[in-house]
Amino acid sequence: AQTVTQSQPEMSVQEAETVTLSCTYDTSESDYYLFWYKQPPSRQMILVIRQEAYKQQNATENRFSVNFQKAAKSFSLKISDSQLGDAAMYFCASRGLNRDDKIIFGKGTRLHILP
Amino acid sequence: AAGVIQSPRHLIKEKRETATLKCYPIPRHDTVYWYQQGPGQDPQFLISFYEKMQSDKGSIPDRFSAQQFSDYHSELNMSSLELGDSALYFCASSLVGSRNTIYFGEGSWLTVV
Repeated sequence: AQTVTQSQPEMSVQEAETVTLSCTYDTSESDYYLFWYKQPPSRQMILVIRQEAYKQQNATENRFSVNFQKAAKSFSLKISDSQLGDAAMYFCASRGLNRDDKIIFGKGTRLHILP
Repeated sequence: AAGVIQSPRHLIKEKRETATLKCYPIPRHDTVYWYQQGPGQDPQFLISFYEKMQSDKGSIPDRFSAQQFSDYHSELNMSSLELGDSALYFCASSLVGSRNTIYFGEGSWLTVV
């Protein structure tokens, strides 16, 4: 069974600064997918970034990048140049490769942006 | 681009009543998932369907049932509602081969009073 752990329930960052959200996971699979989802106050679930475990290169999407350490089963999210609109709950998640594998979420980290 | 459509967006029911939530996946997506997110909680997997057949089941109460129809839309039926069923219910869909990404709808808010 897969598990995802986010050890930081809340974090704060000054606007324009950089923040890193931590995530560790456990899986018996050799290949899988990892995701970060953002859930703003509207409660919509928005995909921020995706990483395929078989790729060594860290994924990057504009101001968002990940530090994927497969051996350590670590998958942190770095947000650069933080903006007020980044304030949200961030969920780390994993999924297997099978066609209908479900997504398993961590407990989430609430990110506050300080003006 | 078309997204996952859920209806109704908001629903208020009384205890012991029945509620039905509908989900219309992204066109051509073959897998549908249902998640329940309680207040301050992470989304919990309920059930999924692949090509109209149930493929996996999570912590779904026996009072809940779901199915996927021939047009791929799905319905989540909840009976004998309890106060604890008040939550945001997400439907999500995916397509085999689409880089394994699951796309979520905006959710249906169920309040049981």
